Amino acid sequence: KQEVTQIPAALSVPEGENLVLNCSFTDSAIYNLQWFRQDPGKGLTSLLLIQSSQREQTSGRLNASLDKSSGRSTLYIAASQPGDSATYLCAADYGQNFVFGPGTRLSVLP
Amino acid sequence: EAQVTQNPRYLITVTGKKLTVTCSQNMNHEYMSWYRQDPGLGLRQIYYSMNVEVTDKGDVPEGYKVSRKEKRNFPLILESPSPNQTSLYFCASSRWGYEQYFGPGTRLTVT
Repeated sequence: KQEVTQIPAALSVPEGENLVLNCSFTDSAIYNLQWFRQDPGKGLTSLLLIQSSQREQTSGRLNASLDKSSGRSTLYIAASQPGDSATYLCAADYGQNFVFGPGTRLSVLP
Repeated sequence: EAQVTQNPRYLITVTGKKLTVTCSQNMNHEYMSWYRQDPGLGLRQIYYSMNVEVTDKGDVPEGYKVSRKEKRNFPLILESPSPNQTSLYFCASSRWGYEQYFGPGTRLTVT
């Protein structure tokens, strides 16, 4: 069964810290991996998408890496800000079937 | 503005009363999908569609129906809703192999 896990489940850091969120997937036959942000009571906002042939993608203070062979992706957030507080989800694309991780709830304290 | 819209945003209904949640996208995306999000279970895929008249089951299709008669619309139909279908529902669309765009969600309560 294809499963996606995320570590840690929750994280609280002071403003300005650099941090890493982890995503693991059991089946490495992915087409791509996508990172999302979800604010309470809201929909999902796409942050980064990494194609299976790529190793990493960057957008502003965010950098996501992908290691298909080990079944892992990491999201690096530089110089965290209170506005980064949200739940971060990763999703593995297996062609038509998307499998989501349970998310990491991030709190950035002023 | 590029967007995915869902209606209604909130719905309270009773067991057995048929309902439809609409989803529409204005980005000419081929791929559309429905998810439900439940505490402790995360986001799970219900149905998806690769293009007009092409639909397939996701991980949790029981109790749901979909149709894709037009490229922009992908309604989710609950023929006989039950309390275990109380959930937060999201519609999403994308070009094949590209990032998914999500709607704002529909919070459904079945009593």
